Amino acid sequence: AAGVIQSPRHLIKEKRETATLKCYPIPRHDTVYWYQQGPGQDPQFLISFYEKMQSDKGSIPDRFSAQQFSDYHSELNMSSLELGDSALYFCASSFEGQQPQHFGDGTRLSIL
Amino acid sequence: DQQVKQNSPSLSVQEGRISILNCDYTNSMFDYFLWYKKYPAEGPTFLISISSIKDKNEDGRFTVFLNKSAKHLSLHIVPSQPGDSAVYFCAASDLGGADGLTFGKGTHLIIQP
Repeated sequence: AAGVIQSPRHLIKEKRETATLKCYPIPRHDTVYWYQQGPGQDPQFLISFYEKMQSDKGSIPDRFSAQQFSDYHSELNMSSLELGDSALYFCASSFEGQQPQHFGDGTRLSIL
Repeated sequence: DQQVKQNSPSLSVQEGRISILNCDYTNSMFDYFLWYKKYPAEGPTFLISISSIKDKNEDGRFTVFLNKSAKHLSLHIVPSQPGDSAVYFCAASDLGGADGLTFGKGTHLIIQP
């Protein structure tokens, strides 16, 4: 079965640069969630979208923004990158905002 | 403040025996709980869930128990198999619709042959 696709899998950036992470949900899923997992930490919820509208907001920094497009894929835009932004970024999707959420394999972002 | 707590960072169990992973929560608004399994370099994989209106849910070798008054849930795996070695995350939601999950810090389960 098709799963959540995230790209790129790995990304290296320098401080103060920008980055864009992409997420393609499971077919027919209309809800997307973003999480950040630091080294040795639990995943922290950032933001979610349902039917292209922002639905719930967690601990997303003001330097980050996200949107969901008409084909339900989502992009997380990160600006003025800091060393502390180095983490694994997971995207998850579900149908009509219901549980469970199904996760992609993540994008590992490294800030030099 | 950690709203979902998994107090055992690791657990070692012999193959064929029962594995019991525990999770406590503090937020009374949580009404749906999930367990995820995670291998290195992969995303969390959904295992099993339970709504707060139930106290038990079973799926094959996996059973989740919920004690709402104690704000405690546990995942039982029986019999444990080598492929069960992974990090297990407990997560909670208030079912508000497209709400983010609150995760515990995970328990690394090691199945000994």
